[in-house]
Amino acid sequence: GAVVSQHPSWVICKSGTSVKIECRSLDFQATTMFWYRQFPKQSLMLMATSNEGSKATYEQGVEKDKFLINHASLTLSTLTVTSAHPEDSSFYICSVQRGYGYTFGSGTRLTVV
Amino acid sequence: QKEVEQDPGPLSVPEGAIVSLNCTYSNSAFQYFMWYRQYSRKGPELLMYTYSSGNKEDGRFTAQVDKSSKYISLFIRDSQPSDSATYLCAMSLASGGSYIPTFGRGTSLIVHP
Repeated sequence: GAVVSQHPSWVICKSGTSVKIECRSLDFQATTMFWYRQFPKQSLMLMATSNEGSKATYEQGVEKDKFLINHASLTLSTLTVTSAHPEDSSFYICSVQRGYGYTFGSGTRLTVV
Repeated sequence: QKEVEQDPGPLSVPEGAIVSLNCTYSNSAFQYFMWYRQYSRKGPELLMYTYSSGNKEDGRFTAQVDKSSKYISLFIRDSQPSDSATYLCAMSLASGGSYIPTFGRGTSLIVHP
């Protein structure tokens, strides 16, 4: 599978600030990347599909103005959580599809205080 | 009813035990079935995938799919403490070039020495 690097692995921010999370595909040119959110003891929930060079496709119920996604190159997608609130605290994970498999990044633990 | 049901556990077993992890699903159109392992604070890693019904073995791991019952299983033989993790089942439709999976909530497995 692909090698996916996600940064940062954890971040604490103040309520009202914005946080950017990076997802890099290190050995595979990914036209599509996926962003998931996972709350404790819950399943992975797909937030959006990031498309290189075009707008992301958001899942129902996900605010596109709050979760800004930029996929400017074939190896980098970023997720920016804008005006973060404590309820945005979660584990955010990106993934890259390669063949039948999905390779995930190591995840970013976001805590909003 | 959720599309994919998975008991969150935790499931606690002694080292060397045979572990059985299961998921049920409601969408009969699912064709690809996957098991992911997720260590704490890490992204999921693909363990096994199978297409349609049947068994697949890989070392100590055996994946089983029964489409008639909409039931999939992962068996772990000779379980080790290093197998302690959350195991997520996932399944996807065979539609075009995209196989975005739907995840179960994961079963927490604890293998104690």
